[in-house]
Amino acid sequence: AQSVTQLGSHVSVSEGALVLLRCNYSSSVPPYLFWYVQYPNQGLQLLLKYTSAATLVKGINGFEAEFKKSETSFHLTKPSAHMSDAAEYFCAVSEAGGTSYGKLTFGQGTILTVHP
Amino acid sequence: GAGVSQTPSNKVTEKGKYVELRCDPISGHTALYWYRQSLGQGPEFLIYFQGTGAADDSGLPNDRFFAVRPEGSVSTLKIQRTERGDSAVYLCASSPTTGGNTEAFFGQGTRLTVV
Repeated sequence: AQSVTQLGSHVSVSEGALVLLRCNYSSSVPPYLFWYVQYPNQGLQLLLKYTSAATLVKGINGFEAEFKKSETSFHLTKPSAHMSDAAEYFCAVSEAGGTSYGKLTFGQGTILTVHP
Repeated sequence: GAGVSQTPSNKVTEKGKYVELRCDPISGHTALYWYRQSLGQGPEFLIYFQGTGAADDSGLPNDRFFAVRPEGSVSTLKIQRTERGDSAVYLCASSPTTGGNTEAFFGQGTRLTVV
């Protein structure tokens, strides 16, 4: 069984400040990990994914995430927040392996607010 | 099409009524997923189609929920005898292949409100 925990349902930062959104996962098999973003009135959009290649993954809009197996974490960061980053962010996990088909287990989401 | 399309975008229905929610996946995508997102929660898996067949329906909450994909493209999620607890945003996603590392492309969802 898999699960995802996102620490902090709301995160507020100032424009230009570091963004750090936390995600910890639990998986009985090696996982694939994803970050999705949901802007108001829009569908979920993939930011980045970890698929067992490089542990530091770069995504769109300046975001990156680092897979740390020892900590079972996949935290999302961005060095400098922009007003347009305000959205809800979801961490998700799916199973690696031959029988896996892409079923995602999501965390509860973190709403990012960016102040001028 | 350009993306995953879901209709209607909003649906208000009375308790006990039957509803159908439609999903048009990206052309050529063989895998299709339905998720349900309740207020303040992340999406929860409902059902997965590979082609025309439901390969995993383990997330359907009970037998009032049913989904079909008769021609391997458009899918319809059907809910019978709706209850207020069914109110949520229903999300559809498709992907070009299967595999745990495949990106899923999501529609904007159908917001279902049962009154």
